[in-house]
Amino acid sequence: GAGVSQSPSNKVTEKGKDVELRCDPISGHTALYWYRQSLGQGLEFLIYFQGNSAPDKSGLPSDRFSAERTGGSVSTLTIQRTQQEDSAVYLCASSLGSFGEQYFGPGTRLTVT
Amino acid sequence: SQQGEEDPQALSIQEGENATMNCSYKTSINNLQWYRQNSGRGLVHLILIRSNEREKHSGRLRVTLDTSKKSSSLLITASRAADTASYFCATDVHSGNTPLVFGKGTRLSVIA
Repeated sequence: GAGVSQSPSNKVTEKGKDVELRCDPISGHTALYWYRQSLGQGLEFLIYFQGNSAPDKSGLPSDRFSAERTGGSVSTLTIQRTQQEDSAVYLCASSLGSFGEQYFGPGTRLTVT
Repeated sequence: SQQGEEDPQALSIQEGENATMNCSYKTSINNLQWYRQNSGRGLVHLILIRSNEREKHSGRLRVTLDTSKKSSSLLITASRAADTASYFCATDVHSGNTPLVFGKGTRLSVIA
């Protein structure tokens, strides 16, 4: 079956521009997660959606970052006024419940020049 | 602070040897998971072990969990070049709705 998909796979943007990253989770998965991974580092939690509950935004590094999940399915992560330190791979994952196995998308590699 | 910490940070072995990676964590957990990542892209779930389990097997993988020491180990037996990847442990905190917290990973290189 279809897994988690993310688009674009690569994004190069100029400093100061806004970017939108998209995640299509596995159908029926109620939980959706965004992570950021800098080169050679672990995963940094950004935001978590569970069903119709208010999202857990505790990992967002600044108010330039925001995310929404429409209709309990597709999610968009928006970074406004991008900075060079935003360069990283942004990973999305979904799961059936909150504490089970997470299924990851291939990620979006963001480069801010 | 990091909930899960893998050890070692990097490991290089010959094909056919066993690889052991360790993970330590700080707070009580519901379960602990191990994931593999190839080439810095999406992670793939390997195995989940619950807090009331001590050992679990899946193919060439063996995971142990010692909740008294707050540690877990991942053993890959008879390693292959294709096992070359980064391996991460992930834990969920026992209380609340905190999602998984990932460690920084162990980079495993299996030399043919």
